[in-house]
Amino acid sequence: ILNVEQSPQSLHVQEGDSTNFTCSFPSSNFYALHWYRWETAKSPEALFVMTLNGDEKKKGRISATLNTKEGYSYLYIKGSQPEDSATYLCAFIIFGRGSTLGRLYFGRGTQLTVWP
Amino acid sequence: EAGVAQSPRYKIIEKRQSVAFWCNPISGHATLYWYQQILGQGPKLLIQFQNNGVVDDSQLPKDRFSAERLKGVDSTLKIQPAKLEDSAVYLCASSFGGLAEGIQYFGAGTRLSVL
Repeated sequence: ILNVEQSPQSLHVQEGDSTNFTCSFPSSNFYALHWYRWETAKSPEALFVMTLNGDEKKKGRISATLNTKEGYSYLYIKGSQPEDSATYLCAFIIFGRGSTLGRLYFGRGTQLTVWP
Repeated sequence: EAGVAQSPRYKIIEKRQSVAFWCNPISGHATLYWYQQILGQGPKLLIQFQNNGVVDDSQLPKDRFSAERLKGVDSTLKIQPAKLEDSAVYLCASSFGGLAEGIQYFGAGTRLSVL
């Protein structure tokens, strides 16, 4: 059974605070890790696809790093804004035997609330 | 570009009733996924289609859940009969090919409450 762990489960911060979350995953047979942002009543939206050890991706105030050898990825938000309030999900890709399509295993997510 | 469309957005039924959800993926996307997200858990893949063929349905409770993707475009997911534990958000996603090539695009989901 694959284990993708995210911490913390929930986070409440004030506007302007910087914050970070962790996603840990099995370090063997790594292919890629996806980060998604899911606002209430909206569609989950892909933020980053992380593939290489040492990868660092950035999108505005949000950035992510990847360590495939130790099996973790960090997501950082600099200067949080109320519109950043959402659930942040990470998902690990595995490939079934004989399949080239892949399947995503999701963590439970980190629920971020940013107070004005 | 239009996104993944799902309907209905919300559904409330009593246990033992039947329910169906509909998904229209992004045009040209060959791969379609149905996920179940129970409160407090991450989305779990129920079934994956490549065009109109099933690629992976290993986590689909086949005694009560069924899905089809006729003509390789729209898809429906059915639950018959529903149980209390089926209360969840059902997400549909699509991708151009497999995950080796790109990301999945999700619909907004159908929130099902079984009373």
